[in-house]
Amino acid sequence: DSGVTQTPKHLITATGQRVTLRCSPRSGDLSVYWYQQSLDQGLQFLIQYYNGEERAKGNILERFSAQQFPDLHSELNLSSLELGDSALYFCASSVDPLTYEQYFGPGTRLTVT
Amino acid sequence: AQSVTQLGSHVSVSEGALVLLRCNYSSSVPPYLFWYVQYPNQGLQLLLKYTTGATLVKGINGFEAEFKKSETSFHLTKPSAHMSDAAEYFCAVSDSLSGNTPLVFGKGTRLSVIA
Repeated sequence: DSGVTQTPKHLITATGQRVTLRCSPRSGDLSVYWYQQSLDQGLQFLIQYYNGEERAKGNILERFSAQQFPDLHSELNLSSLELGDSALYFCASSVDPLTYEQYFGPGTRLTVT
Repeated sequence: AQSVTQLGSHVSVSEGALVLLRCNYSSSVPPYLFWYVQYPNQGLQLLLKYTTGATLVKGINGFEAEFKKSETSFHLTKPSAHMSDAAEYFCAVSDSLSGNTPLVFGKGTRLSVIA
């Protein structure tokens, strides 16, 4: 158990819908990362937050957004969902942005039908 | 831009045999390198990392990897495979100079261990 929690574990929704994925980092970790894992694209970095502020952006679609709250938990919002958004979404956390050891949560499996 | 290439999407070894998973990276700056393992239906777990210092790094579960700058490689090895090693393994690289630490992952190598 990495100490990073993600909810829900599974999510099934229809095209065009909006969903919110939630992540709680390890106690004491200030930085949160979101990654997407799909069969065709592999593991890709989406976005990083540090202490509530956006720190780095990767291959995140405009339909996706995220935020980190004062209690340091983070939410990833996915809207206007398409079939291709079906994937495993991982959250990871680290103590700070310069700490290279990231701890991954168990992931949320999103299925868009 | 950084990139990681893992040679072989699937590697099969016999129990007790040497495990060798290959990783080559491309980076314009000194890299930080990582190996993660993913067991079925689980998240990623850090096996080992190279940041600075000794180029041979030891990780958990008997795995080790050697950073070879001249070959831009960071291959993962284990002297004797165990059934419990069957999993997906990911090599990743991070930029050591920009201060941003998101990981760039390879496509992964699925390791099967045959009894």
